[in-house]
Amino acid sequence: LAKTTQPISMDSYEGQEVNITCSHNNIATNDYITWYQQFPSQGPRFIIQGYKTKVTNEVASLFIPADRKSSTLSLPRVSLSDTAVYYCLVRRSTGFQKLVFGTGTRLLVSP
Amino acid sequence: GAGVSQSPRYKVAKRGQDVALRCDPISGHVSLFWYQQALGQGPEFLTYFQNEAQLDKSGLPSDRFFAERPEGSVSTLKIQRTQQEDSAVYLCASSRPGGGEVVGYTFGSGTRLTVV
Repeated sequence: LAKTTQPISMDSYEGQEVNITCSHNNIATNDYITWYQQFPSQGPRFIIQGYKTKVTNEVASLFIPADRKSSTLSLPRVSLSDTAVYYCLVRRSTGFQKLVFGTGTRLLVSP
Repeated sequence: GAGVSQSPRYKVAKRGQDVALRCDPISGHVSLFWYQQALGQGPEFLTYFQNEAQLDKSGLPSDRFFAERPEGSVSTLKIQRTQQEDSAVYLCASSRPGGGEVVGYTFGSGTRLTVV
């Protein structure tokens, strides 16, 4: 599976839009990009997944350029409760998935 | 249940003691995973079950670690002769057939193991 690289930490303020970019230069044709969110003392929580272009759900948007070597998680109008660690993962399209987590991006949202 | 349940929530063990960590997956979820998360790090894969079959145990760090899921539902992760380096949060995740691809895996809140 392709290795992912993302910033170690980011700071933001309430109400701002936050964009976390992840690079995955060696992504394979059949790989998907998946993002998880983890709050302190909880397990990771799936938030969004995509293959190409743009995916949007009630939590976030995911932007994937044509070459798919990077992706950007966009959190609109963050609140204090969005303070968490965000993990970018690459996973195969089907079958058994041994999810490989990196160290993630620690997002701190301040008042 | 509504989510993945793990017990105990916290466990303190003396070095050399055996421990058993329990995971109750979501009913009907055939896939079950165990992960280990050290402080400040991302979760690392330990082992995977599909129903009662342990299909991948490549992440278990030593033969002191053993996992089972005898009836394809509840799973137990056992660590024998615990060492200080075993101190971590142990996470369990489950997924329904095909669910991993679409909605991701559902993780429990973990068991925090501290070996003293």
